[in-house]
Amino acid sequence: DGGITQSPKYLFRKEGQNVTLSCEQNLNHDAMYWYRQDPGQGLRLIYYSQIVNDFQKGDIAEGYSVSREKKESFPLTVTSAQKNPTAFYLCASSLGTSGYNEQFFGPGTRLTVL
Amino acid sequence: GESVGLHLPTLSVQEGDNSIINCAYSNSASDYFIWYKQESGKGPQFIIDIRSNMDKRQGQRVTVLLNKTVKHLSLQIAATQPGDSAVYFCAEITYNQGGKLIFGQGTELSVKP
Repeated sequence: DGGITQSPKYLFRKEGQNVTLSCEQNLNHDAMYWYRQDPGQGLRLIYYSQIVNDFQKGDIAEGYSVSREKKESFPLTVTSAQKNPTAFYLCASSLGTSGYNEQFFGPGTRLTVL
Repeated sequence: GESVGLHLPTLSVQEGDNSIINCAYSNSASDYFIWYKQESGKGPQFIIDIRSNMDKRQGQRVTVLLNKTVKHLSLQIAATQPGDSAVYFCAEITYNQGGKLIFGQGTELSVKP
């Protein structure tokens, strides 16, 4: 099956710890994105990557880091610098970022800070 | 700043009725508008999109209307079914902003049997 997967589905973190959320796609998409969603809110862009070994900050990048070493993978690290990390995190991918390309979303990871 | 927002946070309809979900946007330069459906605990699913040079686009049981004069977008769902219950988001893209989606707050649609 082609698609985009995220793991784990649920993640619990103690304050002061860094955690890494996984995002993998086998759609051969060049572009990948990370969004954060808070209860009752829309999605806000954290980071995006248009091509391997390149990424840009989105609207709320502080306290997060990413890497794009492989086309298929775009892991997100939530660092201890992120003051309010409890949220639902969504990864997406698209063919590219020039013009309009439909973004396909993964199932999400719900992160809770204890 | 530029933003996309929704008029109604919740909408309750009877099964079989038509639903209309509204969205206001403020960036007149947006090139594309998309409606997503998000079920509880899942990622958003694409429903329908519309280019900024169009006024109307129809899909299966769904129609999107774009009124650029008043910067208003709506999603019409015909013969609403219980499976349509979800949160619906509008989003916009401006080509010169790297394909980033700007999402609105969302409207929760509840379908009563």
